Amino acid sequence: KAGVTQTPRYLIKTRGQQVTLSCSPISGHRSVSWYQQTPGQGLQFLFEYFSETQRNKGNFPGRFSGRQFSNSRSEMNVSTLELGDSALYLCASSLAPGTGDGYTFGSGTRLTVV
Amino acid sequence: QKEVEQNSGPLSVPEGAIASLNCTYSDRGSQSFFWYRQYSGKSPELIMSIYSNGDKEDGRFTAQLNKASQYVSLLIRDSQPSDSATYLCAVNENNFNKFYFGSGTKLNVKP
Repeated sequence: KAGVTQTPRYLIKTRGQQVTLSCSPISGHRSVSWYQQTPGQGLQFLFEYFSETQRNKGNFPGRFSGRQFSNSRSEMNVSTLELGDSALYLCASSLAPGTGDGYTFGSGTRLTVV
Repeated sequence: QKEVEQNSGPLSVPEGAIASLNCTYSDRGSQSFFWYRQYSGKSPELIMSIYSNGDKEDGRFTAQLNKASQYVSLLIRDSQPSDSATYLCAVNENNFNKFYFGSGTKLNVKP
């Protein structure tokens, strides 16, 4: 079966711009989480969506937002980009929250802010 | 702030040896524990999960959990060069779908 699909794979943006990243979870998975991965901070939780509702949010500024659609696809948006937002953004899907299942990660979107 | 601690390594072992990777966590309420493997330039992939105290074996991998000591480990038997990767420990926050990841241990298996 198809895995977690993230688009685009690579992005280069300028400071101050905004960006939208997309994630399609595994078919049947209804929970989508987003993580930021940087060499210095490792994997940090951004937010989690289930049934089009944000259930959890990490310690990121309000410039980071997301949403989930009725087909479980999710998008995250970063506004007013800063150099420090350069990172690998990973989407992870699982069946549902609270099941204790591990994630399946997508290949990620590599964002570079210049 | 909940913390998951791992030795960053690198941990170098010869081919065929046992690699032992360790992880400690701060939240006593944590319920689920996972090990992910991440090859350079790739995304993490789930290799093991463990929920109860004791050992859980899957092929060459054994996960060990000790909730009293807040400690989880991963043993890789008969290590192969293809096992060379960064191993991430992840801890679930009280059954919410929110995980705290350690910074990872880089494993080098030398032929």
